[in-house]
Amino acid sequence: EAGVTQSPTHLIKTRGQQATLRCSPISGHTSVYWYQQALGLGLQFLLWYDEGEERNRGNFPPRFSGRQFPNYSSELNVNALELEDSALYLCASSTKGQGYFNGYTFGSGTRLTVV
Amino acid sequence: AQSVTQLGSHVSVSEGALVLLRCNYSSSVPPYLFWYVQYPNQGLQLLLKYTSAATLVKGINGFEAEFKKSETSFHLTKPSAHMSDAAEYFCAVSQNNAGNMLTFGGGTRLMVKP
Repeated sequence: EAGVTQSPTHLIKTRGQQATLRCSPISGHTSVYWYQQALGLGLQFLLWYDEGEERNRGNFPPRFSGRQFPNYSSELNVNALELEDSALYLCASSTKGQGYFNGYTFGSGTRLTVV
Repeated sequence: AQSVTQLGSHVSVSEGALVLLRCNYSSSVPPYLFWYVQYPNQGLQLLLKYTSAATLVKGINGFEAEFKKSETSFHLTKPSAHMSDAAEYFCAVSQNNAGNMLTFGGGTRLMVKP
């Protein structure tokens, strides 16, 4: 069974540009979660999608946005990139309504570097 | 509301010594608790979880954790540290009335000295 896959693994962008990160959940998982892991700041919750709808959002500015497609894959878009957006972005998935019980399965992340 | 506190952002042990990583939680209802491990430049991997069955939970790689309701704790232990255990460890809590949300602690970086 394929795990959670994220692409690209590394991304280098210039300040002010836009970045698009992609995530494919485990087959059968309908919920997708995005986290930002900046150096020394732990895991910061960004977004939760389930069945195409945004279910919850963390304390991030609107330039962080995303969507979930009918096949449950997801995109995270970051507009007007700032240097402090440099971080490892982790995607996780869970079965519908069972994430609180089963936990999440994480991908390996996308390392975004803003220069 | 639910929250998690991991005492000690960095823990250093010698190879072969006991590993003890601390996690305390707050939860308004019976919690579900998880420990994850993250190796450098990788995602998080589930080590073990407590879901209200046995209070002593055994996980992968020889780790175990004990749920203590009276102390609101879920500390992670391993009798003998290996060099390969060097990683960051995250404790997480959830509740069945909080949607699907897991709340993560700040993480503890475990260093193992030869």
